[in-house]
Amino acid sequence: DIQMTQSPSSLSASVGDRVTITCRSSHTIIDYLDWYQQRPGKAPNLLIFTASNLQSGVPSRFSGAGSGTDFTLTISSLQPEDFATYYCQQTYSVPFTFGPGTKVDI
Amino acid sequence: EVQLVESGGGLVQPGGSLRLSCAASGFIFSNYWMHWVRQPPGKGLMWVSRVNGDESSTDYADSVKGRFTISRDNAKNTLYLQLNSLGADDTAVYYCVRQGSIGWSTWGQGTLVTVSS
Repeated sequence: DIQMTQSPSSLSASVGDRVTITCRSSHTIIDYLDWYQQRPGKAPNLLIFTASNLQSGVPSRFSGAGSGTDFTLTISSLQPEDFATYYCQQTYSVPFTFGPGTKVDI
Repeated sequence: EVQLVESGGGLVQPGGSLRLSCAASGFIFSNYWMHWVRQPPGKGLMWVSRVNGDESSTDYADSVKGRFTISRDNAKNTLYLQLNSLGADDTAVYYCVRQGSIGWSTWGQGTLVTVSS
């Protein structure tokens, strides 16, 4: 199985900050890496697919980069509605593993 | 509007069974791979199972293999997950997810399964 790690596990930030979350896979996954945002009590919401493609309707302050085993999600200017937990997920091979999550709070 | 609505969750005793349903609408259900993903209270996401459009291919996470069965009824636009031999570790919100050509963009609201005596 492909193991996914994320860092940091949590971070405190302020509105307007630039935030970067890192995701690493235990084996190469090319660019089969998606990013989700999850607010409390809600289902995950797809932000980025195949490492760097912005999902329709997602603000352009979100961006993804990386390939192989190392990936990043960047929020260029944090907004109040961005305080949430972020997960990466590999869709390269079964089982489709998620990272443990990064909680972004104030 | 593309929509997924799960149902069937609830409280079940250890060793018991439950069948979850996911009603799909707003798209041609039979054209899509469908997945179940679960999330224990306060914890992260775990992929559970997937099925292709004509139900000819299924996959499972090792932790549920042999206990859970994914299926679908394309005539009813409904995805199912049969949960057997449930244990406390199976307590979670179970999400139904549509795999699109550009990512897993459609998730249901989830249904809570609680395994407890």
